[in-house]
Amino acid sequence: EAGVVQSPRYKIIEKKQPVAFWCNPISGHNTLYWYRQNLGQGPELLIRYENEEAVDDSQLPKDRFSAERLKGVDSTLKIQPAELGDSAVYLCASSPGLAGTYNEQFFGPGTRLTVL
Amino acid sequence: SQQGEEDPQALSIQEGENATMNCSYKTSINNLQWYRQNSGRGLVHLILIRSNEREKHSGRLRVTLDTSKKSSSLLITASRAADTASYFCATVNTGNQFYFGTGTSLTVIP
Repeated sequence: EAGVVQSPRYKIIEKKQPVAFWCNPISGHNTLYWYRQNLGQGPELLIRYENEEAVDDSQLPKDRFSAERLKGVDSTLKIQPAELGDSAVYLCASSPGLAGTYNEQFFGPGTRLTVL
Repeated sequence: SQQGEEDPQALSIQEGENATMNCSYKTSINNLQWYRQNSGRGLVHLILIRSNEREKHSGRLRVTLDTSKKSSSLLITASRAADTASYFCATVNTGNQFYFGTGTSLTVIP
């Protein structure tokens, strides 16, 4: 069974440029999450989707970050414009079911973003 | 911070020894989970313990939960070099908010 797929794996951009990350969750998983992980820290949840609905985006910096999951399957996370402090690894995860709570999550390999 | 905090931040042991890492958190929880992250790779879920459970086992892993002390421990018995990784606890609080801790970096020396 294929795991969570993310692309690209690495991205280097100049500050003020836009960037987008793509995630395809495990087939059949209704819940999708985006996290940001800074070096030496634990992941920080940015947004959680149940199907196409964003049910928790309280920690998403909405002035420059946006996300979508239009058909309730794959998802895109965008930053526009990027700032130096956005350099981090962006992780996508998925989980089955619509329990409304957080159980076992399956993570992708992440996208390492470097903003110069 | 609303995150859990792991202790110690870093741990180095010899292969075959046991490794214990602790997690403390601040608010009442529904469940607590442990994840492993190998260098440069994604996180892998290890075990979930619910607030009404005190201990769970999975292979060489043993997790305890003390809700009165708001703490959990992860014990890895008979450690192997392949156990070298960062270990994170993650809590689901009663407000259904999810937070990862700061992590423990474990090095198992062959």
